Amino acid sequence: DAGVIQSPRHEVTEMGQEVTLRCKPISGHDYLFWYRQTMMRGLELLIYFNNNVPIDDSGMPEDRFSAKMPNASFSTLKIQPSEPRDSAVYFCASSFGLAGGSEDTQYFGPGTRLTVL
Amino acid sequence: AQSVAQPEDQVNVAEGNPLTVKCTYSVSGNPYLFWYVQYPNRGLQFLLKYITGDNLVKGSYGFEAEFNKSQTSFHLKKPSALVSDSALYFCAVSHGGYQKVTFGTGTKLQVIP
Repeated sequence: DAGVIQSPRHEVTEMGQEVTLRCKPISGHDYLFWYRQTMMRGLELLIYFNNNVPIDDSGMPEDRFSAKMPNASFSTLKIQPSEPRDSAVYFCASSFGLAGGSEDTQYFGPGTRLTVL
Repeated sequence: AQSVAQPEDQVNVAEGNPLTVKCTYSVSGNPYLFWYVQYPNRGLQFLLKYITGDNLVKGSYGFEAEFNKSQTSFHLKKPSALVSDSALYFCAVSHGGYQKVTFGTGTKLQVIP
């Protein structure tokens, strides 16, 4: 397996534009996670899905952020409209299960570095 | 609620010396504890985890971690540091099983040749 795939790897956009980040999890993994990493706030869990269904979106900063998982092999994180404070590295991760199970290791993608000017 | 604290933003150690990266946690119930490593411009990689059993857990690349329930700590250790160990290390915690994982803020390890 190629691991978790994210695209694009880098995105530079202007304030007010719509941004869409994409993720392909490892085949067979039932859980998908979106994280945001910044120097100030560290690694934050934004939302996670189980079997394509959003389970916990309490980490999504505001209504400008939305995430979807239309099928088991694809997820998107959308920011509309984008703001400079959204600049960060966004990671997607997937796993067979949540913590405590026998297959709970999260596998991370390489991340998307987003810069909003 | 669950949380994890990594009190040191950066740890510097000479190559060949032992290293320790500190982590303390707070959860209700039994903790599940993890260490991940992040190399520059890469995603996080799993190193090791504690679920139950022996307090000393061995993981990838010669790393190990010691679970101490009384001190609510899960420090990462390695007997002899390598320059290639230089990276960002994250401690993470969950509780009760099948719950989401909360990551710490990360500790930058710098191994000096």
